[in-house]
Amino acid sequence: QITLKESGPTLVKPTQTLTLMCTFSGFSLSTNEVAVGWIRQPPGKALEWLALIYGDDDKRYSPSLNNRLTITKDTSRNQVVLTMTNMDPVDTATYFCAHRQDSSFDLWGRGTLVSVSS
Amino acid sequence: QAVVTQEPSLTVSPGGAVTLTCASSAAAVTSDNWPNWFQQKPGQAPRTLIYRTSHKHSWTPARFSGSLLGGKAALTLSGVQPEDEADYYCLLYFGGTWVFGGGTKLTVL
Repeated sequence: QITLKESGPTLVKPTQTLTLMCTFSGFSLSTNEVAVGWIRQPPGKALEWLALIYGDDDKRYSPSLNNRLTITKDTSRNQVVLTMTNMDPVDTATYFCAHRQDSSFDLWGRGTLVSVSS
Repeated sequence: QAVVTQEPSLTVSPGGAVTLTCASSAAAVTSDNWPNWFQQKPGQAPRTLIYRTSHKHSWTPARFSGSLLGGKAALTLSGVQPEDEADYYCLLYFGGTWVFGGGTKLTVL
């Protein structure tokens, strides 16, 4: 059974760096057939794809946020980490991680709400 | 970066049928965009319904189907149930990155 769970701070200040962790189980992130992605959703708004990392360490980023995002993985700990620099109140959102395989973002974590405020 | 557009809202009667569409500003949507469709209910994470245009997961109700229609990705619901009232999002692949549509709020009334 595949599960994913997001964790990180619930509140960050403007200009700070956000670090989120996705801890997963039920699969191994060790081949290019499997990936973990990050998606966010501001309150009352649409989903936005942020970043993705494959098991072979290939990384992809949203062009609009590319210079602020870094995604890494720790295969031995079954974790994927997303960092986002220079946080702003508009980055207030629920952040989800999701398992991707066979062209499908098939299973998602419950998400973690991050607020940006001074 | 391409913009992906969906109908903001649609209303359907119980037992009826409705088609939601997903268009790209870059070009006609094709199977190479690997269209995914998600259902999201209030306070919940999105749930994947359709991937690679028309493939269903084991949990996808039979009344949901995906296709390409007139240069767009399409999600058709047949025999709509009250529990289908939700937000629906499409996701398209563009050569290494992914873009979500703005979502369709489906009301069953």
